[in-house]
Amino acid sequence: QVQLVQSGAEVKKPGASVKVSCKASGYTFMSYAMLWVRQAPGQSLEWMGRINAGNGDTRYSQKFQGRVTLTRDTSASTVYMELTSLTSEDTAVYFCARQSSGYDHFDNWGQGTLVTVS
Amino acid sequence: EIVLTQSPGTLSLSPGERATLSCRASQSVSNSYLAWYQQKLGQAPRLLIYGASSRATGIPDRFSGSGSGTDFTLTISRLEPEDFALYYCQQYGDSPPWTFGQGTKVEVK
Repeated sequence: QVQLVQSGAEVKKPGASVKVSCKASGYTFMSYAMLWVRQAPGQSLEWMGRINAGNGDTRYSQKFQGRVTLTRDTSASTVYMELTSLTSEDTAVYFCARQSSGYDHFDNWGQGTLVTVS
Repeated sequence: EIVLTQSPGTLSLSPGERATLSCRASQSVSNSYLAWYQQKLGQAPRLLIYGASSRATGIPDRFSGSGSGTDFTLTISRLEPEDFALYYCQQYGDSPPWTFGQGTKVEVK
């Protein structure tokens, strides 16, 4: 079965960067895109970016453009999300999610990684 | 950017009752590229419905989706205890940004 396993919780100081990983298993990694979505405490979900795991092409939300970078390691079936210049407003749970096909719905999600900026 | 507005914010119902959740888009959602997700406290969202009306794998048939254009509905025909949760609608397709509604909480009355 499809599994997305994310790295553990992080605590960062303002101005620092964080890098969260998402290891995929149970499917052909390079055949799907991966998305990153975040959820601030008590808030809704917010799409951050997308990476095509096959060719590495990325698309970012304008809100995070310049601060977020998505990369992937095909040998490890792992996608990474790096967010720089952290502020307290970046305190949130960060999820990776597989995109079903093309630009379709998000069919499988990681368990989430809490990033606290304090 | 398409803004999705969900209503009501909170729905207070009893087990066995019918739940009707609404999602309205600020502009037409192409090809009915509208999904619904369920989220329980401390968990990741789970896909329920995609393409406005197709149930995801393993989702019970008490969950159904309908609508097109700018108005969409998620219906839970008879609430089970495990259905009390947060529900989000989301639009997708080949023109990001992909956006979510603010959520509807279904709580026990």
